[in-house]
Amino acid sequence: EPEVTQTPSHQVTQMGQEVILRCVPISNHLYFYWYRQILGQKVEFLVSFYNNEISEKSEIFDDQFSVERPDGSNFTLKIRSTKLEDSAMYFCASSGTNGNTIYFGEGSWLTVV
Amino acid sequence: GEDVEQSLFLSVREGDSSVINCTYTDSSSTYLYWYKQEPGAGLQLLTYIFSNMDMKQDQRLTVLLNKKDKHLSLRIADTQTGDSAIYFCAVPGNTPLVFGKGTRLSVIA
Repeated sequence: EPEVTQTPSHQVTQMGQEVILRCVPISNHLYFYWYRQILGQKVEFLVSFYNNEISEKSEIFDDQFSVERPDGSNFTLKIRSTKLEDSAMYFCASSGTNGNTIYFGEGSWLTVV
Repeated sequence: GEDVEQSLFLSVREGDSSVINCTYTDSSSTYLYWYKQEPGAGLQLLTYIFSNMDMKQDQRLTVLLNKKDKHLSLRIADTQTGDSAIYFCAVPGNTPLVFGKGTRLSVIA
C-alpha cells in the first residue's frame, strides 16, 4: 500500500540551528501538508501546499518556517532558527485530486535543546 | 473556527465493544475522519464517513454520524489488545483538518 515516508524519524538539534524535515508524499497525490503535535497536545495544522505554492497556512507557520518541493518527489519543511517550543512531532501528509482523504506519515520527532 | 471535542480516556475489557465519541461545531463538514495513533507511531487513517451518510461499517468498525447533533462516534466490536491506541476524530474546518485531542483507548485483557 502506498505510504507517506518521512526522514529523519528523530532529530535533536541545538536552539538556533536550522532544521530540514523531509517527506516523500504518495506518488500521485497533489496536495501536501505539514502538521505538528507538541507532546500531550492536539495535532495542529501548519501549512498546505498545492500546485507548487502554499495554499493555506496557520498562525504557527511564521517567517521561521518554509516549505519546498525541490523535485518531483520530495516535500520539505525548514525551520530556520529553532526554538525550544518547536520541539514536537512533525507530520507530513498528502491527499489526492479531490483532497478529501489525507494520509499521514510516521512523523519526525524534533527535540530542540 | 471549527472545534472538535472528544473524551480523553476509555477503558474496556478485551472482547467488549468500545465506543469513542466526538462532537464538532462546523456543520458544513463533508468528510469526517477517524485516525489511530499507536505509541510512538504516526497517524493511521482508520476510516471516514461522508456527511450524507448516517452509518458506515467496515469489518469491526462502525461509524455513526448524527448531523443534527454534530456527533460522530466510532464503535469497535470485539475489542482486542492490539486496538489500544489514541483515536483522533478529525473534520475539515478553517484548516484542511481540525483534530480533537484524541481518546486514549486502553484494553484490559
